[in-house]
Amino acid sequence: EVQLVESGGDLGQPGGSLRLSCAASGFAFSTYAFHWVRQAPGKGLEYVSAISSNGGDTYYANSVQGRFTISRDNSKNTLYLQMGSLRAEDMAVYYCARVVSSTSDYFDLWGRGTLVTVSS
Amino acid sequence: EIVMTQSPATLSVSPGERATLSCRASQSMSSNLAWYQRKPGQAPRLLIYGASFRATGVPARFSGSGSGTEFTLTISSLQSEDFAVYYCQQYKNWPLTFGQGTKLEIK
Repeated sequence: EVQLVESGGDLGQPGGSLRLSCAASGFAFSTYAFHWVRQAPGKGLEYVSAISSNGGDTYYANSVQGRFTISRDNSKNTLYLQMGSLRAEDMAVYYCARVVSSTSDYFDLWGRGTLVTVSS
Repeated sequence: EIVMTQSPATLSVSPGERATLSCRASQSMSSNLAWYQRKPGQAPRLLIYGASFRATGVPARFSGSGSGTEFTLTISSLQSEDFAVYYCQQYKNWPLTFGQGTKLEIK
């Protein structure tokens, strides 16, 4: 089955760290770019970070630049988001999403999301 | 940053009726627009890309139109499974941005 499954969402403390994972199955993971997208309570969807198919290019929203790191392990078909210096505003459901192509940044496959809560 | 504004925030429609959802961009973006459907506890689903092209497996009752700054998602005859939240997304410029969503509820 073609799917993405996120994990790693948890209660994190302000200033703390969490690592999210996104396991892919049913397709050629290494040929696609991916994004992390989040939705905070009562808010809309927000782009967080992106990574190219070979991991050589990464991009970040200004709100997470310098605090979050996106990476991937193509041998494990897994995408990661290392979250650091957590803030209350990072609390959200985090989705991983597959980019259709290098010239069209929309998403044809999403996971169900994993919830990150930030509180002391 | 391109700001995407969806309206209305909530739309109440009876099954079998037509629903029209709007998405406005703060600047022209040609046809670089996608629509997604999200149901509680489920992964978002791509419905429309390129403003008017249905994604694989999407029923013909879903249609997209528009270009430039004004876009519309129309569901011609609502089925029970269509009641969900719908989001538009522009992919003309980085950062990618989404609308706030329209909740389509049963009237």
